Amino acid sequence: GDSVTQMEGPVTLSEEAFLTINCTYTATGYPSLFWYVQYPGEGLQLLLKATKADDKGSNKGFEATYRKETTSFHLEKGSVQVSDSAVYFCALSDRYNYGQNFVFGPGTRLSVLP
Amino acid sequence: DAGVIQSPRHEVTEMGQEVTLRCKPISGHNSLFWYRQTMMRGLELLIYFNNNVPIDDSGMPEDRFSAKMPNASFSTLKIQPSEPRDSAVYFCAFGVRGSTEAFFGQGTRLTVV
Repeated sequence: GDSVTQMEGPVTLSEEAFLTINCTYTATGYPSLFWYVQYPGEGLQLLLKATKADDKGSNKGFEATYRKETTSFHLEKGSVQVSDSAVYFCALSDRYNYGQNFVFGPGTRLSVLP
Repeated sequence: DAGVIQSPRHEVTEMGQEVTLRCKPISGHNSLFWYRQTMMRGLELLIYFNNNVPIDDSGMPEDRFSAKMPNASFSTLKIQPSEPRDSAVYFCAFGVRGSTEAFFGQGTRLTVV
């Protein structure tokens, strides 16, 4: 079945450091890929997405490129801020005859220190 | 959260009691998902529905858990009897026709003492 693997956390960075959170996936079809962010005490919010190979999703300075050849969707940001501290989830969505499914990775906790 | 309403936001109950969590989706959805989140296990898919029909409930931990979607506007997750290890944050989420992403509610924090 479909699955998502992402790097173990927690990740601790200083403000203005470069961020990479690795994500790889396994899917039988042609999934859409997502990064969700969860701030303390809140639900998951969509951060960015890509629906086909070589697409780049971007939002709030974060970027991720859908790499079909390496089945990856790594999240990057050039300069993190304290306000980026949160848990980040990589996810995929695939469509089947019976509908649509979502699969999430385990999440990576990011702490940004001033 | 795109208007997904979950209730209650917080629930504290005694072991052995029945707990019912509620979710009201946004309009135009075609998929509904119930997730459980804990520090130890992270985000776990419990069950999901497509067009109000349960598709996969393999993530439901025990027979104590049941989920229903009596109509397109409402879903419940019931735990009977509840146990302390059920303490977690429970999220519902929706897939919408014409969109690829899932929209999450704010969650219900359940504490069973």
